[in-house]
Amino acid sequence: QKEVEQDPGPLSVPEGAIVSLNCTYSNSAFQYFMWYRQYSRKGPELLMYTYSSGNKEDGRFTAQVDKSSKYISLFIRDSQPSDSATYLCAMSAGRGSTLGRLYFGRGTQLTVWP
Amino acid sequence: EAGVAQSPRYKIIEKRQSVAFWCNPISGHATLYWYQQILGQGPKLLIQFQNNGVVDDSQLPKDRFSAERLKGVDSTLKIQPAKLEDSAVYLCASSLLPGNEKLFFGSGTQLSVL
Repeated sequence: QKEVEQDPGPLSVPEGAIVSLNCTYSNSAFQYFMWYRQYSRKGPELLMYTYSSGNKEDGRFTAQVDKSSKYISLFIRDSQPSDSATYLCAMSAGRGSTLGRLYFGRGTQLTVWP
Repeated sequence: EAGVAQSPRYKIIEKRQSVAFWCNPISGHATLYWYQQILGQGPKLLIQFQNNGVVDDSQLPKDRFSAERLKGVDSTLKIQPAKLEDSAVYLCASSLLPGNEKLFFGSGTQLSVL
């Protein structure tokens, strides 16, 4: 079983739709949860960061973590064509040299059509 | 602020040949990472440097991969000899501190081994 599971999609939605992306994980030691966005032929860029359980909102983006279910989500409201990208979840057990190693999901490819 | 620079952008080689990738991190970032991203998968950490010392190379195939970070700035990743399964995008990332969740990625080097 992989440490982090993520449905690769592809996911195609119309502009303005609410998008829900999610990941599950198996390592209960994970405490830091991130979402990275990766445009075609570019490196990933950090979009959202959450520590432990709970919600975090930033503009049109909301990240949720449910540690009891080992399940994390990213919601995108009022989706735009510019949101078309691959979304990677990532997580780590802590901070510091080796604890901070990030484990990535395989990414979900999202297309928002006008 | 200049981002993480990587070169070359693309590389095509035949199996059993050698190849090298170069990375220049963001100025002042002490921690440098090399990730391997195989098509359809999330990035996997190969090696992490703190200044010019290796912090984590547990997932580096040391029989064929090597990396160095001289003077704690630029880094090179080498593969010798290359195998077909090494075809991937090699991403370099840097962060201000070790175990920092905010990684800044370069655009990567896309390697094709024929």
